Amino acid sequence: SAVISQKPSRDICQRGTSLTIQCQVDSQVTMMFWYRQQPGQSLTLIATANQGSEATYESGFVIDKFPISRPNLTFSTLTVSNMSPEDSSIYLCSVDSPSGAYNEQFFGPGTRLTVL
Amino acid sequence: QQQVKQSPQSLIVQKGGISIINCAYENTAFDYFPWYQQFPGKGPALLIAIRPDVSEKKEGRFTISFNKSAKQFSLHIMDSQPGDSATYFCAASIVTNAGKSTFGDGTTLTVKP
Repeated sequence: SAVISQKPSRDICQRGTSLTIQCQVDSQVTMMFWYRQQPGQSLTLIATANQGSEATYESGFVIDKFPISRPNLTFSTLTVSNMSPEDSSIYLCSVDSPSGAYNEQFFGPGTRLTVL
Repeated sequence: QQQVKQSPQSLIVQKGGISIINCAYENTAFDYFPWYQQFPGKGPALLIAIRPDVSEKKEGRFTISFNKSAKQFSLHIMDSQPGDSATYFCAASIVTNAGKSTFGDGTTLTVKP
């Protein structure tokens, strides 16, 4: 399995500002993903963080709003830019199995963001 | 277009009873079907998963039943315990998409003592 930590665990931000969320994994992993989970709702994939290249964004998400970095195999950041109250959500980092076990995904504890 | 539909939205079961959560998918290319358990304030944790080449998989009190022709799969929790109270998500993915999962809307399970 993989142990994933995220910082910050929660934050309250003002409209128009940006927040960078960090994701650290205790093992080298191939794939890292960022999800959004609005309160009481399901998980929506934002993007796949690719090491050494630009992230791959899902429909409805763009790099200008959610820039992502992946400098190595154990770390990634997601920035939520020019925030509005609609960005209030839980942001989850996810990784594939370090052992390469078939399609296993592990999730971090999440970052709970509130935008005022 | 929602590709994975999950029901019920919420479920209340007495301790010792059987909890059943159902999911239906649309994309026949999906070939991996995990279930995740999420407690408040935590990220989802993989509970059990199945591939379409088998119709059932059991791990302890948790069983997945899979019906490929109907494009449906379900989670059965036997002898449900108050500690099982959590939100459960079904998901589906395609192997060649490197583990990216499409999630159902979740089921909030409450097991009453």
